[in-house]
Amino acid sequence: AQTVTQSQPEMSVQEAETVTLSCTYDTSESDYYLFWYKQPPSRQMILVIRQEAYKQQNATENRFSVNFQKAAKSFSLKISDSQLGDAAMYFCAYRRSGGSNYKLTFGKGTLLTVNP
Amino acid sequence: NAGVTQTPKFRILKIGQSMTLQCAQDMNHNYMYWYRQDPGMGLKLIYYSVGAGITDKGEVPNGYNVSRSTTEDFPLRLELAAPSQTSVYFCASSLIGIGVGSEQFFGPGTRLTVL
Repeated sequence: AQTVTQSQPEMSVQEAETVTLSCTYDTSESDYYLFWYKQPPSRQMILVIRQEAYKQQNATENRFSVNFQKAAKSFSLKISDSQLGDAAMYFCAYRRSGGSNYKLTFGKGTLLTVNP
Repeated sequence: NAGVTQTPKFRILKIGQSMTLQCAQDMNHNYMYWYRQDPGMGLKLIYYSVGAGITDKGEVPNGYNVSRSTTEDFPLRLELAAPSQTSVYFCASSLIGIGVGSEQFFGPGTRLTVL
């Protein structure tokens, strides 16, 4: 079974600085998808960024980028120029590419605090 | 375009009561999902549907039932509420299951407490 581990229950960053959130996963599949979701206090789950395992290039979305290390099964999220609105719980998630089970497997989350 | 909507936002049930959590999406997505989020944990899949009339179990289906009579709606039914079902429930949808368009969009959640 696939597992997703986020080893940092909490992180903090100063506004305008950069922070990196860690995620590791375990799978025997060769093709899969990885995601970072943001959950602000409103509880809404918001997709931040996604990465296809077959792509070597790291995904980027504006101030958000990932460091995908397939051999190490590592998928970290870097937030540059942190803003107060980035404060939220961040979840790393995995989904296999094929088959009929479309479930997302989530980590336990990292609570990010942004200090003014 | 409202996206994924869920009702109610909050609910308190007594042990043994039944209720239905409503979920609707207006994006014409084929795939819909129900997750639960327990305190300090990530989300776990309860049930999912790949289209009207087709549903399948996720990893924690016990105590729940679903139906999918239309593309838009995917209600989740709790028949005999138990304290272990106290959780936040999220509904999600995606256009397709894999590949481009498979990103799951989430509703705002329903916080359910069973006493």
